[in-house]
Amino acid sequence: SQELEQSPQSLIVQEGKNLTINCTSSKTLYGLYWYKQKYGEGLIFLMMLQKGGEEKSHEKITAKLDEKKQQSSLHITASQPSHAGIYLCGADGDYGQNFVFGPGTRLSVLP
Amino acid sequence: DTEVTQTPKHLVMGMTNKKSLKCEQHMGHRAMYWYKQKAKKPPELMFVYSYEKLSINESVPSRFSPECPNSSLLNLHLHALQPEDSALYLCASSQDRGRSSYNSPLHFGNGTRLTVT
Repeated sequence: SQELEQSPQSLIVQEGKNLTINCTSSKTLYGLYWYKQKYGEGLIFLMMLQKGGEEKSHEKITAKLDEKKQQSSLHITASQPSHAGIYLCGADGDYGQNFVFGPGTRLSVLP
Repeated sequence: DTEVTQTPKHLVMGMTNKKSLKCEQHMGHRAMYWYKQKAKKPPELMFVYSYEKLSINESVPSRFSPECPNSSLLNLHLHALQPEDSALYLCASSQDRGRSSYNSPLHFGNGTRLTVT
């Protein structure tokens, strides 16, 4: 079955620092999605990657999907306290309509 | 602001109660989902509806009963729950994501925080 792993599990950075979160799949990804969740709230869709080597950016967040389509990274430049939260990668499961998540990376940004 | 609306935001119920969670979207999406999320864990898929028909049931106990009255609404009926069912219940919607159309993100509501006493 499709499994996603994320690293690191948690991350504490000083405001202004750059950081990277990784997501690794046990199978080839047909679509890889990044979400952010504030504690106790819903998930906010950030970006979707489909093609090997694809890279997308939104404000200070950049996501990449490797050529083999089994690894993705999320990079935040000049982090701010507003970036704090849980970052989850998601992908299609084995039978298309199900959608599974990685375990999440908890990010804290210290002012 | 989310385009998927869930009510109520919080719910406390006893183990003998019957209650319902509601979800509504007006994005024209034809797939709707229920997820359960325990503290410090990722969301776990419970049910998927595609074109108002149940297409996936991830072996969820029968005390959870989903219903999709129309393409915009999704309900989750709760009966005889256990304290371990306490969690954040998330609803999501997307374009239909059958095998021919993987590439459609899910849009989530803010969830219902359920406590079973």
